[in-house]
Amino acid sequence: AQSVTQPDIHITVSEGASLELRCNYSYGATPYLFWYVQSPGQGLQLLLKYFSGDTLVQGIKGFEAEFKRSQSSFNLRKPSVHWSDAAEYFCAVDAGFQKLVFGTGTRLLVSP
Amino acid sequence: SQTIHQWPATLVQPVGSPLSLECTVEGTSNPNLYWYRQAAGRGLQLLFYSVGIGQISSEVPQNLSASRPQDRQFILSSKKLLLSDSGFYLCAWSVMGGLFFGSGTQLSVL
Repeated sequence: AQSVTQPDIHITVSEGASLELRCNYSYGATPYLFWYVQSPGQGLQLLLKYFSGDTLVQGIKGFEAEFKRSQSSFNLRKPSVHWSDAAEYFCAVDAGFQKLVFGTGTRLLVSP
Repeated sequence: SQTIHQWPATLVQPVGSPLSLECTVEGTSNPNLYWYRQAAGRGLQLLFYSVGIGQISSEVPQNLSASRPQDRQFILSSKKLLLSDSGFYLCAWSVMGGLFFGSGTQLSVL
């Protein structure tokens, strides 16, 4: 069965520092992969998605993610974190019919 | 542009009471519609999805049901709520290219 693992429950990054959030997936074929962000009490906003082609995908708010088939990973990165990036981040894989399987999320804290 | 409306934003219900959460989508036709639940400190669990009017697929056995009476309307219901039904409920739609979520309903069953 398809699954997504986000090994870090919490991550604290200083404002202005770089960020990398880890995501590993389990899927038999070429996966469709997504990153979402959720602010407290809000719905999820799509940051970026990978379907095929270039393995480095650009998203909104300065985020990017790199698909690495050999490592079954789709890590999210940002070169310089802003305080407004503090939120919870979810990685997801399309399990077919656009039904997404989500990881348990990583809460990002940004320190001054 | 497409928008998704979900209400109410918060709801407190006693155990054993009925539930009806509504979700409507604007600006698109024949979308796939989804209900997800997010328990505190956990990821999202797919509850139901629908590819058309009257077509509902349940992903997990539970105390809840879903209906799609119109193309862009998706309703989540329960006849008798349980304590374990508490959580954050999210409606979503897709045409292609990922899911787009509503703002969610925080349900507390007491």
